[in-house]
Amino acid sequence: QVRLVQSGAEVKKPGASVRVACKASGYIFNDYYIHWVRQAPGQGLEWMGWFNSDTGGTKCAQQFQDRVTMTTDRSSNTAYMEVKKLRSDDTAVYFCARAPRLAASGGPDYWGQGTLVTVSS
Amino acid sequence: DVVLTQSPVSLPVTPGEPASMSCRSSQSLLDSDDGNTYLDWYLQKPGQSPQLLIHTLSHRASGVPDRFSGSGSGTDFTLKISRVETEDVGTYFCMQRIAFPCTFGQGTRVEIK
Repeated sequence: QVRLVQSGAEVKKPGASVRVACKASGYIFNDYYIHWVRQAPGQGLEWMGWFNSDTGGTKCAQQFQDRVTMTTDRSSNTAYMEVKKLRSDDTAVYFCARAPRLAASGGPDYWGQGTLVTVSS
Repeated sequence: DVVLTQSPVSLPVTPGEPASMSCRSSQSLLDSDDGNTYLDWYLQKPGQSPQLLIHTLSHRASGVPDRFSGSGSGTDFTLKISRVETEDVGTYFCMQRIAFPCTFGQGTRVEIK
């Protein structure tokens, strides 16, 4: 079955970086995009960007372009998202989710369990 | 960015009764090239990840009960639950993916009366 398993919770100081891992299984990794979405405590969902697992192309929302890097390791079917220069308002649960490459086939369908990143001095 | 406005913010429901909620977009979500409307619906149960219910306006995701249905056109969209069950409690989000960046509505919280 399709599974996306994310790395564990992190506590970081302001200005530090964090990398969240998302290990995929149960499907052909290169056939799907990986989206990243975050949710601040008690808040709604905020889309961050996507990674094309086939071409390596990425697209990131403007507010994250300077600080967020999305990559994958095809040998282990793992996607990574790194956020640099962390601020207190980056405290959130970060989700990865897969989505079909063909938009008409659907949006993000399987999601990871989420990774809580806490930024605190 | 495309703004999605969901209403109501909170929706008390009675098990066995129908329920519906709205998602309005600041611009059309219809792709004139392929005729598809790129609006999805998600349910996030307390403490869980979002789960896809409806994609591309009206297509139920795999395993989603047929009591859930999506409809609408252009900028106005509706998610309907024909007969609410207690397991349907949670926050419902709409998401658009026709325009960059993808955006979500702020959510409708469904709770049992």
